[in-house]
Amino acid sequence: AQSVAQPEDQVNVAEGNPLTVKCTYSVSGNPYLFWYVQYPNRGLQFLLKYITGDNLVKGSYGFEAEFNKSQTSFHLKKPSALVSDSALYFCAVSPPSGGSYIPTFGRGTSLIVHP
Amino acid sequence: GAVVSQHPSRVICKSGTSVKIECRSLDFQATTMFWYRQFPKQSLMLMATSNEGSKATYEQGVEKDKFLINHASLTLSTLTVTSAHPEDSSFYICSAESGTDTQYFGPGTRLTVL
Repeated sequence: AQSVAQPEDQVNVAEGNPLTVKCTYSVSGNPYLFWYVQYPNRGLQFLLKYITGDNLVKGSYGFEAEFNKSQTSFHLKKPSALVSDSALYFCAVSPPSGGSYIPTFGRGTSLIVHP
Repeated sequence: GAVVSQHPSRVICKSGTSVKIECRSLDFQATTMFWYRQFPKQSLMLMATSNEGSKATYEQGVEKDKFLINHASLTLSTLTVTSAHPEDSSFYICSAESGTDTQYFGPGTRLTVL
């Protein structure tokens, strides 16, 4: 069975500094990996995904993530954080599938960017 | 593109009543839609997967008769919480698969049962 770990409940960073939100996964085969962001009382917004190809994936709002197969990680990064980036971030993994898939979500990491 | 809407965004009801939540994919056809429940400061809990024109597949522990799911068309799925009780109060989120291995989520529905 697949699983996702987000080891940090909360990440604090100063505005303008780089940020990293960690994610590690466990799945059979080559994974599909996703990052979503959730603002208060809102649904999840898709940020980026890794399916295959270049290990560095660029997504919305200046975020990027690097797939590291040896470390089974897919950390989310941004070179310069904004206060508006403060939100809840979810990593998700699903096994490769030609049809519909059901991803497993991490428990979420709250990102707080201080002015 | 890939916009999913939910209605209502917020509902307050009395215990014992039923509540219907609609999930629509606005600009794409979704053969599969998912219903999640989220408790405060927790991750999403998958409740069921619904495919257009067929019965929903419920996750273990989710009561089929309490959470009725209908996926009548490629753009609409509904979740009905029957005989709602205060413990059913939660944030319900739907998502739709666009055929590109990515789920797109609705904005969620906050249900409060008094």
